[in-house]
Amino acid sequence: DSGVTQTPKHLITATGQRVTLRCSPRSGDLSVYWYQQSLDQGLQFLIQYYNGEERAKGNILERFSAQQFPDLHSELNLSSLELGDSALYFCASRREGGEQFFGPGTRLTVL
Amino acid sequence: AQSVTQLGSHVSVSEGALVLLRCNYSSSVPPYLFWYVQYPNQGLQLLLKYTSAATLVKGINGFEAEFKKSETSFHLTKPSAHMSDAAEYFCAVSYGSGNTGKLIFGQGTTLQVKP
Repeated sequence: DSGVTQTPKHLITATGQRVTLRCSPRSGDLSVYWYQQSLDQGLQFLIQYYNGEERAKGNILERFSAQQFPDLHSELNLSSLELGDSALYFCASRREGGEQFFGPGTRLTVL
Repeated sequence: AQSVTQLGSHVSVSEGALVLLRCNYSSSVPPYLFWYVQYPNQGLQLLLKYTSAATLVKGINGFEAEFKKSETSFHLTKPSAHMSDAAEYFCAVSYGSGNTGKLIFGQGTTLQVKP
């Protein structure tokens, strides 16, 4: 158990819909990272938040957005979903100078 | 662009044999290097990391990796494979320090261990 929790574990939805994925970091970790894992793209960095502020952006689509709340949990919002958005979405948390610890992931299926 | 290349998407070894998973990175700046393992239907677990201390890094479950700057490599090895080592392995680099540190992953290598 990494100490990072993600909900829900599985999500099945239809094209055009909007979903929210939730991540709770390890206690004391201020940084949260979001990654997407798909068969064709592999593991890709999406976005990072540090103590409520966006710090780095990767290959994140404009239809996707994220935020980190004062209690440090983070949410990844995916809208206007397409079939190609089906993937595993991981969040990871990190304290300054440390390594990233990954959550179990949310498997999103878009039908 | 910074990138990580894992040579061989599938590696098959016999139980008890040497495991060698290859990773090369492209960068003129020494990065932080990591190996993660992913078991089926699970998240990623850190095996080991290189952060510019000793070039030979020992990790969990008997794995180790050697950083070779001249070859821009960070290959993962284990002297004797166990059935429980069957999983997908990812090499990753990070170039950020402090509060950045996003990971760039290789495409992954699936390790099969035959009895």
